[in-house]
Amino acid sequence: DTAVSQTPKYLVTQMGNDKSIKCEQNLGHDTMYWYKQDSKKFLKIMFSYNNKELIINETVPNRFSPKSPDKAHLNLHINSLELGDSAVYFCASSPGDRDSPLHFGNGTRLTVT
Amino acid sequence: AQSVTQLGSHVSVSEGALVLLRCNYSSSVPPYLFWYVQYPNQGLQLLLKYTSAATLVKGINGFEAEFKKSETSFHLTKPSAHMSDAAEYFCAVSDRGNTDKLIFGTGTRLQVFP
Repeated sequence: DTAVSQTPKYLVTQMGNDKSIKCEQNLGHDTMYWYKQDSKKFLKIMFSYNNKELIINETVPNRFSPKSPDKAHLNLHINSLELGDSAVYFCASSPGDRDSPLHFGNGTRLTVT
Repeated sequence: AQSVTQLGSHVSVSEGALVLLRCNYSSSVPPYLFWYVQYPNQGLQLLLKYTSAATLVKGINGFEAEFKKSETSFHLTKPSAHMSDAAEYFCAVSDRGNTDKLIFGTGTRLQVFP
């Protein structure tokens, strides 16, 4: 009955590998997001999808590719992982209204060695 | 461009003391403002939000924040800290005139001592 769920919770991989993080929300929201939180806790938006359509792409390297098969899912695929990609990645969803809060998943801690 | 600044990356208080976490915003249009809390190894949870109704906003867990346009501030307060309040707190601004993305501050870690 988790509202926004991400898998996996932890991901440890080597440089150069390709990995995916999955996100699902059962809140019926139209908009989903990926945020990156670095080691200093700074949160920055990466992507936003509204009803499967990309609406925000914040100068993220094209090694990162979001995919939204339906409005309840937003996955993040990362190619050729680099050390600097190590961070916590949060999925979030909202109804899409500008005054509506975001509902966050518990995060995926990615460690690239 | 919208932005928020949180003064003080760390705040320490004794249990029972007043909690004050500072947030100043910059926005060319009246903003929507939010406070989120992040407990260790968890995602962010909404504490409260300001959307131009009342300037004093009450949130969960006894927190409240006051929107002061003249000071461009949205400070978070709680009269009496509890040990369970220890967490990371983020102020965020949403641009009313643009897409619905949230811009987060750099966060303030609140420590509560017995």
